[in-house]
Amino acid sequence: DTGVSQDPRHKITKRGQNVTFRCDPISEHNRLYWYRQTLGQGPEFLTYFQNEAQLEKSRLLSDRFSAERPKGSFSTLEIQRTEQGDSAMYLCASSLRVTSTDTQYFGPGTRLTVL
Amino acid sequence: AQRVTQPEKLLSVFKGAPVELKCNYSYSGSPELFWYVQYSRQRLQLLLRHISRESIKGFTADLNKGETSFHLKKPFAQEEDSAMYYCALSGLQGAQKLVFGQGTRLTINP
Repeated sequence: DTGVSQDPRHKITKRGQNVTFRCDPISEHNRLYWYRQTLGQGPEFLTYFQNEAQLEKSRLLSDRFSAERPKGSFSTLEIQRTEQGDSAMYLCASSLRVTSTDTQYFGPGTRLTVL
Repeated sequence: AQRVTQPEKLLSVFKGAPVELKCNYSYSGSPELFWYVQYSRQRLQLLLRHISRESIKGFTADLNKGETSFHLKKPFAQEEDSAMYYCALSGLQGAQKLVFGQGTRLTINP
């Protein structure tokens, strides 16, 4: 499968613990996005990378959240001191910016449950 | 402010009947509009985008700038169309992050 992959697919943690998710984009895609989706809602943008540079962050991304894309390939999203409100599906998407618009391809998501 | 509104959370139609999923948006500028679909136990995937003016799986969507709408239509629904449908927009510059609606769950009854 050459699509976007995410690991783990499910994560259950206790409040206050730190968690880290990984996203592997489609090979050679230069853009990578993180979204969060809560029950009954559409995905909401969190942050975006072009190559290794993090170019935009949503105000939804509190200081407990940090994302990296160290070599412009895979990306990690870390949540420190998790809260119950962090429970959601975390989606990663990648795209290749060629023309004025690009198509985002989504991964299967990581479902986080904070107890 | 950028916003996408899908007024119907649930929509149920019979096989062979026409389908219309509504989407309205607000955006200062010229956005690009998309429809994404998520079938059961599958990932979110692009169905169509307004600039390509394609018909995918029999679905079409026309951008109406006057009414700021991008409704998704299909003349004859099929059971395999049952899925969650999300309307989304992005700007044409910068991050091109997607702003999604809440989604409409479409159920096609046999």
